[in-house]
Amino acid sequence: QVQLQESGPGLVEPSETLSLTCTVSGASINPYYWTWIRQPPGKGLEMIAYIFYSGSTKYNPSLESRVTISLATSKNQFFLTLNSVTAADTAVYYCARRRSYCSHGSCYGLIDYWGQGTLVTVSS
Amino acid sequence: SSELTQDPAVSVALGQTVTITCQGDTLRTSFATWYQQKPGQAPLLVIYDTNIRPSGIPDRFSGSSSRDTASLTITGAQAEDEADYFCFSRDTSPNRLEVFGTGTKVAVL
Repeated sequence: QVQLQESGPGLVEPSETLSLTCTVSGASINPYYWTWIRQPPGKGLEMIAYIFYSGSTKYNPSLESRVTISLATSKNQFFLTLNSVTAADTAVYYCARRRSYCSHGSCYGLIDYWGQGTLVTVSS
Repeated sequence: SSELTQDPAVSVALGQTVTITCQGDTLRTSFATWYQQKPGQAPLLVIYDTNIRPSGIPDRFSGSSSRDTASLTITGAQAEDEADYFCFSRDTSPNRLEVFGTGTKVAVL
């Protein structure tokens, strides 16, 4: 049973850095992609970034200048840092596993396992 | 970036059929994935590759696609199907992250 668990501060002050850890159990980091997704209260879902087990990354262009995703394979963990936060960054942050599948000649990504989510509030 | 547009809310009588749609240019060439999200919970994968159900998802959930629109149908809706539903697919730019639809709140009356 694959399980993901987010951890980190629930309150971050404006202009500071948000840092979250996701601990994966029941599966190896290899050979999957690992992703962070957020959901502002009452709103929709937004992919922030993902990282492949090899270390290659892809970021949401709207956040790329402030975001870093990284991983610690030996600990089965991956991480998110988001700099210079504002109230607009208040959201439930989910860590999740993204896997690829191919169909009809093209390959796609889907999110198959999610953490329970952690609410991060940006406020002084 | 790509946009996937969904109706904000729909309602369905208990036991009846409801179809949720997701519209976007990327769907002309990409398959849709569907997630169900209940209050306070993480999303749950219910359909991928247009119409494949993961293990454990009831067969009353089905998917289809036509031109720029993907659809999720619940045939014989149950009270426990009341939730938000989000579609998910590739961005129109192949070098970008996937995108989620705007979401549809389904009320089972």
